[in-house]
Amino acid sequence: QKEVEQNSGPLSVPEGAIASLNCTYSDRGSQSFFWYRQYSGKSPELIMFIYSNGDKEDGRFTAQLNKASQYVSLLIRDSQPSDSATYLCAADYGGATNKLIFGTGTLLAVQP
Amino acid sequence: DTAVSQTPKYLVTQMGNDKSIKCEQNLGHDTMYWYKQDSKKFLKIMFSYNNKELIINETVPNRFSPKSPDKAHLNLHINSLELGDSAVYFCASSQVPVASYRFFGPGTRLTVL
Repeated sequence: QKEVEQNSGPLSVPEGAIASLNCTYSDRGSQSFFWYRQYSGKSPELIMFIYSNGDKEDGRFTAQLNKASQYVSLLIRDSQPSDSATYLCAADYGGATNKLIFGTGTLLAVQP
Repeated sequence: DTAVSQTPKYLVTQMGNDKSIKCEQNLGHDTMYWYKQDSKKFLKIMFSYNNKELIINETVPNRFSPKSPDKAHLNLHINSLELGDSAVYFCASSQVPVASYRFFGPGTRLTVL
């Protein structure tokens, strides 16, 4: 069973702090990784994607990938109350299929 | 302007009824999907179509039948609704089927009484 695992949280951080969200995946064949943000009652929206080992930065967001450890993380700098949401990690299934396997998400609460 | 749209947004129905959810995307994408998100936020793929051809059919009861009249539309018909079908159903699309991110529709919250 291919899985993507996340701590469900809630992860509570004060406004202005760095929020660190973590994700592990079981399929060594996975090549592509995605972070989605989902506000309550809304649909998931893409924040970042990463394909290569290392860091990828986009504004306040940094995605980190370590394929050897099968580990993906998302850092949010200068966290704002508007960042409060569930963050879903996803990994492609690998091989010829085109499935994205989603984790159950981490609920982030940024305290003003 | 809407990229992926779904109707209806809410659907409340009785057990045993048949219902349909419609999805349309105007992004020009070739691949469309149906996902089910349960109360614990777990987002699970149900079906995927690429250029009107079914390419993913997960372990979903036969009561669920997708239909893609063209590559911009993917509808979901559900027969004999059960309590356990209550969930949020998301339609999504992507440019290519492999290793690409999905654009999600606003979701349809289905409640079976």
